[in-house]
Amino acid sequence: QVQLQQSGTELVKPASSVKISCKASGYTFTSNYMHWIRQQPGNGLEWIGWIYPGNGNTKYNQKFDGKATLTADKSSSTAYMQLSSLTSEDSAVYFCAREGPYNPYVMDAWGQGASVTVSS
Amino acid sequence: DTVLTQSPALAVSPGERVTISCRASESVSTGMHWYQQKPGQQPKLLIYGASNLESGVPARFSGSGSGTDFTLTIDPVEADDTATYFCQQSWNDPFTFGSGTKLEIK
Repeated sequence: QVQLQQSGTELVKPASSVKISCKASGYTFTSNYMHWIRQQPGNGLEWIGWIYPGNGNTKYNQKFDGKATLTADKSSSTAYMQLSSLTSEDSAVYFCAREGPYNPYVMDAWGQGASVTVSS
Repeated sequence: DTVLTQSPALAVSPGERVTISCRASESVSTGMHWYQQKPGQQPKLLIYGASNLESGVPARFSGSGSGTDFTLTIDPVEADDTATYFCQQSWNDPFTFGSGTKLEIK
């Protein structure tokens, strides 16, 4: 079955960077878009962007352009998101989510989430 | 950006029928999807393309609508349906989510 295993909790300092991973299994990693979504405490969900691991193409929500950088390693079937210039506003749970093979832009499998806390 | 408006909370009794609404600030055609999120868990896809039931999701869940007005219906509601339900549109860039409707089962 499709599984997305994300890295764990991160406590990072303001102005630093953090890199979150999402290891995929149970399907062909290079054939599906991978999306990233942010959920701030008590808040709803925000779409950050997607990467197509097959060729590395990316698309970002303009709000996160310059904040998030999406990459993928085909050899390990792992997607990454780096967040830079962190502030307290970036404290959130970050999810990776696979776009299904038959329905464009529908996220049919999600990772368990990676919690990032930005604090000095 | 396309704003999706959901009512914040609902409370119903087991066995009842509940409808959760989502209104878009502009047309999203049928590019609307519904997710269920339980506390401490990741969202789970329920409905895609406004009315298509995701594989493995009970037939108690259904979706309808097009354009700007959409509905998720659960009939009958069960105790395990306690969760927050989010709508998400994929028709306009950027993709956006509703703020969620918290469903309480009395």
